Amino acid sequence: AQSVSQHNHHVILSEAASLELGCNYSYGGTVNLFWYVQYPGQHLQLLLKYFSGDPLVKGIKGFEAEFIKSKFSFNLRKPSVQWSDTAEYFCAVTNAGKSTFGDGTTLTVKP
Amino acid sequence: DAGVTQSPTHLIKTRGQQVTLRCSPISGHKSVSWYQQVLGQGPQFIFQYYEKEERGRGNFPDRFSARQFPNYSSELNVNALLLGDSALYLCASSLGQEGYTFGSGTRLTVV
Repeated sequence: AQSVSQHNHHVILSEAASLELGCNYSYGGTVNLFWYVQYPGQHLQLLLKYFSGDPLVKGIKGFEAEFIKSKFSFNLRKPSVQWSDTAEYFCAVTNAGKSTFGDGTTLTVKP
Repeated sequence: DAGVTQSPTHLIKTRGQQVTLRCSPISGHKSVSWYQQVLGQGPQFIFQYYEKEERGRGNFPDRFSARQFPNYSSELNVNALLLGDSALYLCASSLGQEGYTFGSGTRLTVV
């Protein structure tokens, strides 16, 4: 069974700091990779996705993620976080109709 | 455009009872997925339906079942409720595999 690991449960940063959230998955075949974000009081929203091609994908609000196949990783990055980025971030992998989510990373950005 | 709508928003049931949760996808979306989310964890995949056919099933007991209707709306049924079934149940829809749009969920409490 495929699994997704998000190594950081809670990350606290000051505004303008750089962000990197780790995501590793277990499945060795072809997968689609996603990052979702859940802002306080809101539902899950798609942040970015990777299917194929350029392993560096750009999403909304200045976020990007890099797919490294050899490391089974899909880490999320942002060069300079804002207070409004405070949210929970979920990495997800989809293969053959099945989706697996990580347990999420809570990001708190201090003003 | 209306997003993914789920009903009811909250529900309290007694152990042993049965429950039906409903989901209306975004207009034009033919794929619907169901997830269970407990506090502190990521969404756990239950089912995916596409064009009224089951395309994926997660590791949930047979007490969980679902179906998709000709208008692409969907129902999730859970029989013989257990205390451990208490969770937020999320529905998500998509055109294909490009990433899901989530609803706000149904909070089920089993007492």
